[in-house]
Amino acid sequence: AQSVTQLDSQVPVFEEAPVELRCNYSSSVSVYLFWYVQYPNQGLQLLLKYLSGSTLVESINGFEAEFNKSQTSFHLRKPSVHISDTAEYFCAAERDTGRRALTFGSGTRLQVQP
Amino acid sequence: DSGVTQTPKHLITATGQRVTLRCSPRSGDLSVYWYQQSLDQGLQFLIQYYNGEERAKGNILERFSAQQFPDLHSELNLSSLELGDSALYLCASSTPRDTQYFGPGTRLTVL
Repeated sequence: AQSVTQLDSQVPVFEEAPVELRCNYSSSVSVYLFWYVQYPNQGLQLLLKYLSGSTLVESINGFEAEFNKSQTSFHLRKPSVHISDTAEYFCAAERDTGRRALTFGSGTRLQVQP
Repeated sequence: DSGVTQTPKHLITATGQRVTLRCSPRSGDLSVYWYQQSLDQGLQFLIQYYNGEERAKGNILERFSAQQFPDLHSELNLSSLELGDSALYLCASSTPRDTQYFGPGTRLTVL
C-alpha cells in the first residue's frame, strides 16, 4: 500500500521568510511525486513534479522540492514567501505501475503574515 | 485555467436525492479521474476512465457511479445522498503518461 504524510497541518510564516513544507511517502514500488496548491474555493493547481532524473525540481514561482529516496521525502521549500503564497498545499504520489490514481497527503495550510 | 471544466459549480440538495456532476476534459485528454475532497476524509480517489472504459476504482461507494461518453466528457452520479456526501468533487484529466490537471470542482451540499 502507498501512503503520503504531511507532517504539518498549518505553517504560519512572515512575509519574506523562508518556508519548508514537509512530505514523506511510503511505497514498495517506484513513485512519481507531486505538489499541488489549492487557493480558496478553487481546484488543485500543479506546482511541481518529480518523475525521474534530477532530484531537485523547481516551479516558475520560486518553489522547489527535492526527492530524497533514502529518506522517502519530497519536501517543498521557498526561500522567501509572499502574501499571495497563502494557500493549502498538497503532496501527492502516483505509483509507477500503470495505475494512475493519486494518493494525497492531508494538506498543509501555509499562512503568510505581513 | 487548467482547461478542465466542471458543472455545476455549486449544488445544494436534500438527503435521499440523486445528482449528476459533469466534467469535460482538456482537449486531447483521454483519461478522466474523479476525486472527493471532504473535511473528514481529505482527498480521495474515486474512479478513472480511459477512452470510455473504466480503468481504476478507488474508494467509491456503491451509491455512486460514473461513465465516460464518446465525446470524452464524464458524469458522476450520486444517489441516495447522505449528509456525509457533502464535499468538493474534483475532476482531473490527462494524456496517458502526463500529469493530471484538475478542474475547479463541484461543491455539493446535502441538507
